Amino acid sequence: DAGITQSPRHKVTETGTPVTLRCHQTENHRYMYWYRQDPGHGLRLIHYSYGVKDTDKGEVSDGYSVSRSKTEDFLLTLESATSSQTSVYFCAISRSGTTNNEQFFGPGTRLTVL
Amino acid sequence: DQQVKQNSPSLSVQEGRISILNCDYTNSMFDYFLWYKKYPAEGPTFLISISSIKDKNEDGRFTVFLNKSAKHLSLHIVPSQPGDSAVYFCAALRAQPSRTGANNLFFGTGTRLTVIP
Repeated sequence: DAGITQSPRHKVTETGTPVTLRCHQTENHRYMYWYRQDPGHGLRLIHYSYGVKDTDKGEVSDGYSVSRSKTEDFLLTLESATSSQTSVYFCAISRSGTTNNEQFFGPGTRLTVL
Repeated sequence: DQQVKQNSPSLSVQEGRISILNCDYTNSMFDYFLWYKKYPAEGPTFLISISSIKDKNEDGRFTVFLNKSAKHLSLHIVPSQPGDSAVYFCAALRAQPSRTGANNLFFGTGTRLTVIP
């Protein structure tokens, strides 16, 4: 158990509304990631963080922003949700930046945009 | 463009038999590969990994084989058990970490394994 929690676990929202998803870790790891999982695509990286206030884009970052003001929390924001952002969102952490380092995942947030 | 591919969306196997899950990749810069297992309503959990300097890695009932020249890897589960029923994702890492030191995983689309009692 890597001590990762995500909130909320489920959310239904309407198109055009802002949404923020939270990832919280208890083990002080430097690297945190946000992925989305969609049928036919597997998991795709949205954004990641390599330290407090240090973030970078992933493969599918359009329409998303992130913030990390403290080590334990990594927030994913949809500024204006669209139906194409209906997905399951997973947060992950890795314990260091070494090449052979596994990532450990949270339980996921299921987001539905109507 | 999908750099990691799992061409079989599903696989059914009898309990006690071998399960073989396949994965292909296109990016020759990948040099570390991982398998994750995912149950419904849970996050993926790490299962086993292999470095490109090896062609086999074994952990209990799970063995991963890597054929670098063919850009192909496979996960063998022997013997298969009903509790192994899940979606299995293959993932790959690039040879060099990014400038930030983070490791960006590239995932396949997953194979749903059903082990029939």
